[in-house]
Amino acid sequence: LAKTTQPISMDSYEGQEVNITCSHNNIATNDYITWYQQFPSQGPRFIIQGYKTKVTNEVASLFIPADRKSSTLSLPRVSLSDTAVYYCLVGDMRAAGNKLTFGGGTRVLVKP
Amino acid sequence: EAQVTQNPRYLITVTGKKLTVTCSQNMNHEYMSWYRQDPGLGLRQIYYSMNVEVTDKGDVPEGYKVSRKEKRNFPLILESPSPNQTSLYFCASTLSPGTGYNEQFFGPGTRLTVL
Repeated sequence: LAKTTQPISMDSYEGQEVNITCSHNNIATNDYITWYQQFPSQGPRFIIQGYKTKVTNEVASLFIPADRKSSTLSLPRVSLSDTAVYYCLVGDMRAAGNKLTFGGGTRVLVKP
Repeated sequence: EAQVTQNPRYLITVTGKKLTVTCSQNMNHEYMSWYRQDPGLGLRQIYYSMNVEVTDKGDVPEGYKVSRKEKRNFPLILESPSPNQTSLYFCASTLSPGTGYNEQFFGPGTRLTVL
């Protein structure tokens, strides 16, 4: 079971790029890395997922080094509405008996 | 509209009084799961289901039961609730575990208080 470690919190300013790194040293071969965003009192929302190298969508980029023991979520030019908790999740839903474990989350505060 | 619904959204109950939190999804998803969220502890998986009649324990299953008789529904049952089950509960579903794709769709949450 891949355990994840993230920074507890990060502050940023509007227009800046925010990079959040997640450590997952014992990631398994079939595990994917997924990031979610959560606003207070709402369910988490999917942001991006990757297996290796770099993945980019309209919201974020995900960088995964060759050893896959960590990953970095990059949020370009953040706005106040990006203030939220960001979770890193590592797992493989295909495997019966697989428990999906969220990291502790990183609280990102975007200041004006 | 594709969604995951949970009911009730808020519930205050007393110790030992059995309760059920319902979860339903209209996306024909195979995989469904329940999480609880507590301050400082993040999201922890309680139970999950790979498909109808296939369920398994997550990280914190003690004190909970689930069933998956139909693909769309995945109720969470607390046979004898205790105050330490006071929490915010989320149900989630995902299309198919076959590809390893992990996009889960979360419900709006159920805030449970056990007195």
